Amino acid sequence: DAMVIQNPRYQVTQFGKPVTLSCSQTLNHNVMYWYQQKSSQAPKLLFHYYDKDFNNEADTPDNFQSRRPNTSFCFLDIRSPGLGDAAMYLCATSTQDRQPQHFGDGTRLSIL
Amino acid sequence: SQQGEEDPQALSIQEGENATMNCSYKTSINNLQWYRQNSGRGLVHLILIRSNEREKHSGRLRVTLDTSKKSSSLLITASRAADTASYFCATEGSNYQLIWGAGTKLIIKP
Repeated sequence: DAMVIQNPRYQVTQFGKPVTLSCSQTLNHNVMYWYQQKSSQAPKLLFHYYDKDFNNEADTPDNFQSRRPNTSFCFLDIRSPGLGDAAMYLCATSTQDRQPQHFGDGTRLSIL
Repeated sequence: SQQGEEDPQALSIQEGENATMNCSYKTSINNLQWYRQNSGRGLVHLILIRSNEREKHSGRLRVTLDTSKKSSSLLITASRAADTASYFCATEGSNYQLIWGAGTKLIIKP
């Protein structure tokens, strides 16, 4: 089945220690998104790629970076995680014509 | 960014009853989407309604859209325990983004 896969499901890191979250998709969608979601809140868009074109939200911290080496994979790098970065991180994809977004099951990040 | 409001913030009903959630938004739209999120999981797309549509059905789901009032509602009929989840509405923003409502947490009591 075509899908969006996020690894790992749970990630624990230490304060200030870099961490990378990964996302892969078999849908061959042009657009990939990274969201941060804190408890009982709506997802907050961090950035998205339309093919290789990177779009950063204005309020996304500089601490957060992303890479999309090919259509299928996208990575979220958090350079120096702080306690406030503990959250669920969701990856999603869509086609270029604004059809619904398809989400992975997320990576829950904990900061010690 | 969040465009609109959803109400109620939380809703608890008995299994078998109908659940209605409302969403309001601020700007003109081409479509409005509803998503479900089970605890600890990703969001799942439920239904998309276009601005020229007034009502849409999918199984036990019924969505209405009133563009004059900039509002939409999601009705789940004959609720089941498995419907327990958070429900989000979303409208399209610029540049392929979605603008999310704050969500309604639905609890179905057995």
